Amino acid sequence: DGGITQSPKYLFRKEGQNVTLSCEQNLNHDAMYWYRQDPGQGLRLIYYSQIVNDFQKGDIAEGYSVSREKKESFPLTVTSAQKNPTAFYLCASSTGTSGGSYNEQFFGPGTRLTVL
Amino acid sequence: RKEVEQDPGPFNVPEGATVAFNCTYSNSASQSFFWYRQDCRKEPKLLMSVYSSGNEDGRFTAQLNRASQYISLLIRDSKLSDSATYLCVVKRNTDKLIFGTGTRLQVFP
Repeated sequence: DGGITQSPKYLFRKEGQNVTLSCEQNLNHDAMYWYRQDPGQGLRLIYYSQIVNDFQKGDIAEGYSVSREKKESFPLTVTSAQKNPTAFYLCASSTGTSGGSYNEQFFGPGTRLTVL
Repeated sequence: RKEVEQDPGPFNVPEGATVAFNCTYSNSASQSFFWYRQDCRKEPKLLMSVYSSGNEDGRFTAQLNRASQYISLLIRDSKLSDSATYLCVVKRNTDKLIFGTGTRLQVFP
């Protein structure tokens, strides 16, 4: 089955610890994205990557880091510098950026991170 | 002011009712528009794109008014399974999407 997987589904972290969220896709998509969703707010873009070994900051990148060493993988690290890390984190992928037309973004099931 | 604004609801409607949601956007350069559906504690999924001439997909009709910068979603003959949060989404001139906070719909028997 083709799709996007995120693990773990629920994650608990002590304050001051870094944690890495996994995102894997077997859709052969070039572009991948990380969003966070908070209650009462829309999804906000953290980082995105249009191609392997390249990524750009989104609207709320502070306190996060990413890597894109393989096409199918785009892990997100939530560092201790992120002030309010408790949120629902969603990974997405698409066939890529093409200016005029829309390449649908498909989402993974998400990871709920709680900082204790 | 948020770039994409929606009434959070909830809209509570009986089965069979017609319900409409509106969404306004502030960036006149926005290129493309979509409605996503998100079930409780799940990921968003694309419901439909919104075209300038308006478009229909079964019981769902989407409209775009560029002059007034709003889009709408109409659901006819509501089903219990339509209960979800509907996200208004706007695309800038890259593949970056801007999400509204969502409108919650609850259909009751």
